Amino acid sequence: AQKVTQAQTEISVVEKEDVTLDCVYETRDTTYYLFWYKQPPSGELVFLIRRNSFDEQNEISGRYSWNFQKSTSSFNFTITASQVVDSAVYFCALSEAGANSKLTFGKGITLSVRP
Amino acid sequence: EAGVAQSPRYKIIEKRQSVAFWCNPISGHATLYWYQQILGQGPKLLIQFQNNGVVDDSQLPKDRFSAERLKGVDSTLKIQPAKLEDSAVYLCASSLGSAGSYEQYFGPGTRLTVT
Repeated sequence: AQKVTQAQTEISVVEKEDVTLDCVYETRDTTYYLFWYKQPPSGELVFLIRRNSFDEQNEISGRYSWNFQKSTSSFNFTITASQVVDSAVYFCALSEAGANSKLTFGKGITLSVRP
Repeated sequence: EAGVAQSPRYKIIEKRQSVAFWCNPISGHATLYWYQQILGQGPKLLIQFQNNGVVDDSQLPKDRFSAERLKGVDSTLKIQPAKLEDSAVYLCASSLGSAGSYEQYFGPGTRLTVT
């Protein structure tokens, strides 16, 4: 069975601070995919990134960066120089390879960025 | 490209009443998902369609929930009769395919309150 743990429930930072959101996963598969989604107050989940289990290269996209470490089963997300618009709930999710694979979400981390 | 459309956005009903939600996925997306998101938790998959066939409904409470995707495009999710614990946001998502590598795109959700 697959599982995603987001131990942090709420984080509050002041604008321009850097913040890291942690994600730990469990799976028995050797091929799997990890995702991060953002859910702003409007409610719609927005896809941010997908990573496959064979690609441990860290990724940077503007102020966002992701650190994937198979040795610790972690896929952490860092926002550099946070902004008020980053305030949202962030979900980490895992799916295993193969047809009809299910996406399992963590409980989410509520990030509040104060001006 | 239009996103996933859902209606209504909000619904308030009394327990034991029935309710239906509608979803229109992104054009060309073969796979459609319905999720239930209870406050403070991550989305939980209720049912997954590949075209007009069900591929996973293991977590759908079939005594009261039903869903269909008759022509392989839009879908409806029905609850009859509703219980207080059904109060949640119901999210529809779609993806190009059902394999775990595909990212899912979410609609804005329907917030259901059962009183």
